[in-house]
Amino acid sequence: NAGVTQTPKFQVLKTGQSMTLQCAQDMNHNSMYWYRQDPGMGLRLIYYSASEGTTDKGEVPNGYNVSRLNKREFSLRLESAAPSQTSVYFCASRGPNQPQHFGDGTRLSIL
Amino acid sequence: SQQGEEDPQALSIQEGENATMNCSYKTSINNLQWYRQNSGRGLVHLILIRSNEREKHSGRLRVTLDTSKKSSSLLITASRAADTASYFCATTVGLTFGEGTQLTVNP
Repeated sequence: NAGVTQTPKFQVLKTGQSMTLQCAQDMNHNSMYWYRQDPGMGLRLIYYSASEGTTDKGEVPNGYNVSRLNKREFSLRLESAAPSQTSVYFCASRGPNQPQHFGDGTRLSIL
Repeated sequence: SQQGEEDPQALSIQEGENATMNCSYKTSINNLQWYRQNSGRGLVHLILIRSNEREKHSGRLRVTLDTSKKSSSLLITASRAADTASYFCATTVGLTFGEGTQLTVNP
């Protein structure tokens, strides 16, 4: 049982480049989330999806887009990467009234 | 606004001692969760306490919840070096986490 899988684990981009971070879960969870974590900080919610076909903005959505491709997959896209988006990105999922399960993160550096 | 704010920001203790971390939140909750994050890894859920519960135990962990004060505490008894990690509280409302308590347990 893999849980929440994020790809890639590491990525370096140049300013202005685009990329998509992938997340998949195999626990049949309805809800999925994308967070960013900056050094020494807690997690900040970027976007979440309460169920397949729905997405909502979190605390820091600017500069990002998301797609809930199906129940398993929730991707995060940076259309034009900026140095301020250098961070560790975590995906999570959860079932009703249950705690979140997290992936191991994607470490993204933007030069 | 932050739904969970941990205190202290950092805590350093010796192996075998107890560690206590506190969490405050701002609005009504259905439940409160504590998570651990080892360096370079994702968060791992430790324990969930519901709003109608006052205390909950899981192994060496004890969590208390005081809804009148909008606060919770996490106690780790007989700490081990392997408990070294950051600890976060979170509520379902707002889906936000605080900055965490960095716990260091010295052998």
